[in-house]
This record gives sequence, structure tokens and C-alpha cells, in this order.
Amino acid sequence: KAGVTQTPRYLIKTRGQQVTLSCSPISGHRSVSWYQQTPGQGLQFLFEYFSETQRNKGNFPGRFSGRQFSNSRSEMNVSTLELGDSALYLCASTTEYSNYGYTFGSGTRLTVV
Amino acid sequence: GQQVMQIPQYQHVQEGEDFTTYCNSSTTLSNIQWYKQRPGGHPVFLIQLVKSGEVKKQKRLTFQFGEAKKNSSLHITATQTTDVGTYFCAVIAGGTSYGKLTFGQGTILTVHP
Repeated sequence: KAGVTQTPRYLIKTRGQQVTLSCSPISGHRSVSWYQQTPGQGLQFLFEYFSETQRNKGNFPGRFSGRQFSNSRSEMNVSTLELGDSALYLCASTTEYSNYGYTFGSGTRLTVV
Repeated sequence: GQQVMQIPQYQHVQEGEDFTTYCNSSTTLSNIQWYKQRPGGHPVFLIQLVKSGEVKKQKRLTFQFGEAKKNSSLHITATQTTDVGTYFCAVIAGGTSYGKLTFGQGTILTVHP
């Protein structure tokens, strides 16, 4: 079956702009989580959606937001980009329960200049 | 929130040598997952441990969950160059921590042929 698909793979944006990243989970997976990965902070949880509802949110400013659609596809948005937002943004999906582990997408590499 | 400390941060081995990475928590864990991320890649789920004292094997990889469920280890026997990458442990706190994986800092493994 197809894996988790993230688009775009690479993105270069200017400070102050906003960006929208997309994630299509594995078919049948209704839970979608987003993570930010940087060399200094490692993998940090942004938020998790299940059946279009945000069930959990990490410790990130309100500039980071997300949503999930009825087909489980998810988007995350970052407004007023800062240089420190440069990172690899990873999406992960799983079934309702995490017992089978999370399947990660290849990520979107965001560079803010 | 729940935190896991992972050691060592780096490990350089000669091909054929063994490798072990450790994850420790100050609190009892309900479960622990292990992921591998190849250079330039994304995390890939390896295994989940749930039971006290659990030991699981995958070919040359052996995963253990401590009796007190406060620590875990991943041991690779006779490393190969294909084992290169970063190994992460990750936990989900119980209760309402849906989808929120808390990752250890990771152990970067390099294997010299």
C-alpha cells in the first residue's frame, strides 16, 4: 500500500511569509501527527489530528496551525515565518491506536531566508 | 511532560562490532517504540515494547524493556554498513497524549567498513 505522502519535498520561503504543507496518510489511518526536526532540538511534536479534530498540541507558538479533512489528509500552516522555523517537517500516520507504530512521510524541508 | 534520555549521542564502530543504545526515564513508561532514521531519510518504525522485561528480536537487533519499565535498550550484533543511521526511542504518555510521541535525542551510529 502507498506510504505517507508529503508535499512539497523542499520549500524556500522568505521571513514574514506563510507556508502550507500537505500530508496524505496511509489509507485507513485516521490519526495524523506533525513533527518538527532540527539538529538542535531533535524531533518535536507539533500536533495530532484524528477524525478532523485536534486531540493534542505541542509547545509551539500560535503561528503553527493545522487541520485535517474528512478524507484524513492533513495540512499544517506556519504564518509569519522566522529564520528559526527552518527545519524538516514530518508527518506521521497511524491507526486509531499507536500499537502498530507510526509511519512517517519523507518530510518537507523548509528553509526560511 | 514525559522525557526520555538516550545515550550515547554518538557511536562509531568497526563493521562486525556490536552496538547498543539505551533509553532511560525517571517515570514508569506504558510502552516504548524504537525508530531508525537513515541519513537524509525519515524515521522508520522498528518495534514497540509494552510488557515489563520484554525482549524482542529482529534478526541482528535485540530490543529489551526493563523490569521496572523505566529503561529500554536496542542492541545490534555484528554491525553492517547498512545499520548506519540514527536510532531513536520514543514514548507515548498515557491518558490523553494521543499521537504525541516524545522522542529521545537519538544515537547516531556510524559503521566503518
